[in-house]
This record gives sequence, C-alpha cells and structure tokens, in this order.
Amino acid sequence: DGGITQSPKYLFRKEGQNVTLSCEQNLNHDAMYWYRQDPGQGLRLIYYSQIVNDFQKGDIAEGYSVSREKKESFPLTVTSAQKNPTAFYLCASSIAWRQAEKLFFGSGTQLSVL
Amino acid sequence: AQTVTQSQPEMSVQEAETVTLSCTYDTSESDYYLFWYKQPPSRQMILVIRQEAYKQQNATENRFSVNFQKAAKSFSLKISDSQLGDAAMYFCAYRSARVGRDDKIIFGKGTRLHILP
Repeated sequence: DGGITQSPKYLFRKEGQNVTLSCEQNLNHDAMYWYRQDPGQGLRLIYYSQIVNDFQKGDIAEGYSVSREKKESFPLTVTSAQKNPTAFYLCASSIAWRQAEKLFFGSGTQLSVL
Repeated sequence: AQTVTQSQPEMSVQEAETVTLSCTYDTSESDYYLFWYKQPPSRQMILVIRQEAYKQQNATENRFSVNFQKAAKSFSLKISDSQLGDAAMYFCAYRSARVGRDDKIIFGKGTRLHILP
C-alpha cells in the first residue's frame, strides 16, 4: 500500500542536541511538507519542498533544517537553536502541480525534551 | 496574507443528530481551494471534503457537506447523522490556485467535535 511513513513515533531530545525526524513516501508525489502541531494552535508550516533538491521556508522555520536529496525522502532536523521543540510533527505530501489535490499525512512524531 | 479562522474550539452533538462546524477565511484571490481535514484520536489526518472556489455547487461526500459562501468567505462543514466515529479534531484549510513557489496550505486552529451517545 502507498503512503507516508514517519519515524520514530516518539522521540526525546536532550538539551543542546540535534535530532532528525524521518519522513518517507512511496506515492511518487513531488511535494512534501513538514507541519508542527501544538495544542490549540492548529498546524503551522515549517518547511516545504515542491521538487527534489529544492525547498522553501514555511512560517516557523527558525531552528529547523531539511533536505530533499531523494523524491521519496524529506527528513527534518530539529536543531539546538529551536528552544521549544516539544510538539507533534506531521509530514505530508501531495501532487504539487495539481493544486486541488489533497495532502496525504503520515502518522506523526511526538517530540519531547528531556 | 491569507488566514483561516475557526471560531468554535469545541462542539458537542448527540449521536444521529446534525452538526455544523464554522470556518471563515480571508484572501484577496479569486481562485482557490478549501478543505476540511479530520484528525481522529490516532492523530493521522485525513481529508473529509474539498471545494473548488470556482464551483458554485456545494461539495458533498456521503454524510458530509459544505456550505460555501464565496462573497462572505465562509466555508462551513455539516455532518449529518453523527456517528461515534466522527469524534475528532476538524481543521479547515485554504490553498491558493495560483501556481508558484508560494504553494502552501493554510490551516485553521481546529474544532474538537464530541459525539454524545
């Protein structure tokens, strides 16, 4: 079955540590997205990529970095510069060239600070 | 910049009854898409329904329908014959139809729907 796989499901970060969240899709989608979800805040866009080797900052990119070296993979690194990283992180993908197309979401990663 | 507002943080409805979730948005564009996504307790988001702004006819998907009022910039979701499985967080979302690098979906803050047995 096609879909998006996020790992790990739960992740703990120590002070000053960088951590990387994995996102893999086998839907052959061009566009991929990272959202952060905090209680009462809805989904806020961190980074998105419309095509391999290209990505743009979203609304809350500070303290995060991404790469898009392969079409199916879009990992997110939460750096030590992100002072409040505790949140639920959702990865999504879509067929970028068709704006009406829906987002497909992964099952998310809950990141907590130790 | 576009914004999406969901004014009801939480709502409750009796099982088998009908409930309407509100959503308003702000945009200067004339062509765009609107979506309702559902996030159940499993936290995996799924699309409920979508509407193209150029279509006057309201979208319908089984028990789910929308009331799209373009002039008022309103996009409400009606759930008929509510079922226990409808209990979830519902997010309204907007996406411009303009093709370009600024291609992103904007979400509201969500409405948590409780179904009362």
